[in-house]
Amino acid sequence: DTGVSQDPRHKITKRGQNVTFRCDPISEHNRLYWYRQTLGQGPEFLTYFQNEAQLEKSRLLSDRFSAERPKGSFSTLEIQRTEQGDSAMYLCASSQGTSGIFESEQYFGPGTRLTVT
Amino acid sequence: AQSVTQPDIHITVSEGASLELRCNYSYGATPYLFWYVQSPGQGLQLLLKYFSGDTLVQGIKGFEAEFKRSQSSFNLRKPSVHWSDAAEYFCAVGSGGGNKLTFGTGTQLKVEL
Repeated sequence: DTGVSQDPRHKITKRGQNVTFRCDPISEHNRLYWYRQTLGQGPEFLTYFQNEAQLEKSRLLSDRFSAERPKGSFSTLEIQRTEQGDSAMYLCASSQGTSGIFESEQYFGPGTRLTVT
Repeated sequence: AQSVTQPDIHITVSEGASLELRCNYSYGATPYLFWYVQSPGQGLQLLLKYFSGDTLVQGIKGFEAEFKRSQSSFNLRKPSVHWSDAAEYFCAVGSGGGNKLTFGTGTQLKVEL
């Protein structure tokens, strides 16, 4: 068990460019979550997958954001036409569960820090 | 909608002193409560969690927390702080249906030697 990994760890991009982040969850985990953390704030929920199905999206996830989890394994988060307000740490987490309650904790990756110039 | 308040943005304690970090939550049903710690460059690490049962929960690294329904609180405590405990601490509440965590804004802990 190598934990949740995220790639890249840091990304600097110019406003208007598209960026894509990858998250590899713990291998046996069927749930995967994306959060965003801005400076001085706690993480904010963006979206959640159970296997390959995207079951919930936050209103924070504008039309410029899209997340996928093909085959229920790794996930990608794409931001199109980046804006300076997108600068943040993007965190991925995974957990194992089969019902709607918290059977187990969410394990977090180290995050991808995005800077939009 | 659920929410979490951590009223202390920064706390400074001396090494060896006791610690209490405050957390108040707002949630309609029985809450699932968590404390996470985040060190620079590190991911969030779970310290402890409360789902049900005994209201005093023990966690890793000598931390404990007490769930008080009447006060809507879930304060984190440690009897003797070590310099390595300096980090940012987040309280979170989980919603069963959506499986998402709602975090507080965090408390930055500084430990003076």
